[in-house]
Amino acid sequence: DIQMTQSPSSLSASVGDRVTIACRAGQSIGTYLNWYQQKPGKAPKLLIFGASSLQSGVPSRFSGSGSGTYFTLTVTSLQPEDFATYYCQQSVSTPRTFGQGTKVEIK
Amino acid sequence: EVQLVESGGGLVQPGGSLRLSCAASGFTFNSYWMSWVRQAPGKGLEWVANIKEDGSETYYVDSVRGRFAISRDNAKNSLYLEMSSLRAEDTAVFYCAREYDSGYHFYFDHWGQGILVTVSS
Repeated sequence: DIQMTQSPSSLSASVGDRVTIACRAGQSIGTYLNWYQQKPGKAPKLLIFGASSLQSGVPSRFSGSGSGTYFTLTVTSLQPEDFATYYCQQSVSTPRTFGQGTKVEIK
Repeated sequence: EVQLVESGGGLVQPGGSLRLSCAASGFTFNSYWMSWVRQAPGKGLEWVANIKEDGSETYYVDSVRGRFAISRDNAKNSLYLEMSSLRAEDTAVFYCAREYDSGYHFYFDHWGQGILVTVSS
């Protein structure tokens, strides 16, 4: 199984801040990396697929980069609705595996 | 509009069984892989199982293999998860999710609202 490790596990930020979340894969996964946002009591929402492709309808302040084993999700100017938990997920092999999540909280 | 609606959750005793259903609409169900993903209370996301478009292939996470069975009825646009020998650690919100194949990348592009399964005596 491919282990996915996110850092940090949580962070505090202010509206307007630039925020970057890292995700590291236990082995090379090319660009088979997706990012999801989850708010309390809600289902996850796809933000980024293929490491850097923005899902339709997702604001352009979200971006993803990386390949191989190291990936990042960046929010260029944090908005109030962006406070949530973010998960990376690999889709190169089964079982599909997720990172443990990064909770973005209001400072 | 794509919709995925789970049902069948609830409270079950350890060692018991439960069958989850997911009703799909708004897309050609038999053209997509489908998955179940769960989330224990206060924890992260865990993929549980998936099934090929025609039901000919299924895959499971190790912790449920032999106890859970994923299936689908394409005539009814429905996905199922038959769970047996349930344990306390199976307590979670279960989501059904559509796995989109872009031809190169795979990703969960639509999710149900989730259904809670509680395993407790």
